[in-house]
Amino acid sequence: EAQVTQNPRYLITVTGKKLTVTCSQNMNHEYMSWYRQDPGLGLRQIYYSMNVEVTDKGDVPEGYKVSRKEKRNFPLILESPSPNQTSLYFCASSLSFTGGTQYFGPGTRLLVL
Amino acid sequence: GENVEQHPSTLSVQEGDSAVIKCTYSDSASNYFPWYKQELGKRPQLIIDIRSNVGEKKDQRIAVTLNKTAKHFSLHITETQPEDSAVYFCAASINTGGFKTIFGAGTRLFVKA
Repeated sequence: EAQVTQNPRYLITVTGKKLTVTCSQNMNHEYMSWYRQDPGLGLRQIYYSMNVEVTDKGDVPEGYKVSRKEKRNFPLILESPSPNQTSLYFCASSLSFTGGTQYFGPGTRLLVL
Repeated sequence: GENVEQHPSTLSVQEGDSAVIKCTYSDSASNYFPWYKQELGKRPQLIIDIRSNVGEKKDQRIAVTLNKTAKHFSLHITETQPEDSAVYFCAASINTGGFKTIFGAGTRLFVKA
């Protein structure tokens, strides 16, 4: 089944404790992206990747890191989480970076205490 | 950078009526405009999209129009049904070296039976 998976789905952590949210797609998509969703703000792009080893900042990259060592995986790393990073995070992928359907993962709800 | 404004934030219609959601964007380099539907507790899913070289696109009860001069695009849903109740997001994507996607803040649509 074609899908985007994220883990974990729910996470409660404390300020400063490094964490990684994994994202994987099995559709051989070139383009992958991370978004955060906050009430009243819609979805805001954190980072995106157009292919292996090619990543770039979205609108709200501060406090986040990403890597794209393999085509299928695009982990999101919070080196030192802070309470303002409490949010719902979505990973998404699409066939190419020239537009087209972005398929979203199920989301990861993060609470930073 | 690009900014996308979406109106209204909440829309309530009677079943069978039409619903219109409007978005404006600021960067004339934007060239891809998708619309996503997000049901409560679920991930966003693409419902329709339009590229900058097209003025209108229709898919059954859903249509999108684009006015590049005014930097304005709209979602039209005809013959609304209760299952259309959801949050709808517009977005604008720019393909200039990278491929950023900026989302509007969302419109919560209620369709009353």
